[in-house]
Amino acid sequence: SQQGEEDPQALSIQEGENATMNCSYKTSINNLQWYRQNSGRGLVHLILIRSNEREKHSGRLRVTLDTSKKSSSLLITASRAADTASYFCAPVSNDYKLSFGAGTTVTVRA
Amino acid sequence: DAGVIQSPRHEVTEMGQEVTLRCKPISGHDYLFWYRQTMMRGLELLIYFNNNVPIDDSGMPEDRFSAKMPNASFSTLKIQPSEPRDSAVYFCASSPTGTDTQYFGPGTRLTVL
Repeated sequence: SQQGEEDPQALSIQEGENATMNCSYKTSINNLQWYRQNSGRGLVHLILIRSNEREKHSGRLRVTLDTSKKSSSLLITASRAADTASYFCAPVSNDYKLSFGAGTTVTVRA
Repeated sequence: DAGVIQSPRHEVTEMGQEVTLRCKPISGHDYLFWYRQTMMRGLELLIYFNNNVPIDDSGMPEDRFSAKMPNASFSTLKIQPSEPRDSAVYFCASSPTGTDTQYFGPGTRLTVL
């Protein structure tokens, strides 16, 4: 298994702005997943992008994957106060293990 | 579906006591995962099961920790004896396949005094 490393560690933006966070990993993957965790709550799955995909959209979320650079990015457009949370990437190898990094803490200011 | 169910939601116990955390996965999911989250170490995978069989327990910190899955709808994580450093939030997650989306429960916040 391997660990995703998110960057930046923390991000503060104004409501309505876009938020971008990045993830890097080390070895080959089956897919890469992004999760959100609100303070004191469980993780919620946001989006899964497979190794043969380059971009995926879900509502206001856009995820890209560059397997040659072993990196992914998550873009949240038109952010809202409810987007305030920690965001984790989880690269998934064929051993089925998700290894989470420290996450990016996003604060959306009203 | 009710999602992954964990109990108790909060547990406060004294050092040396036995603690049992419970998890009911989503029906039809073949994989079940136990995680631990702390400020210091982040989110760590402890063990996972496939069709009730433990596949990888390399993340279990020590022999004081044990996990079982007696049937497809129930799993336990036991700590005996508990220590203050075991204080953490423990999450259970289930997945229809090993590599797809994992659905997390709300977690059990364990405090060992």
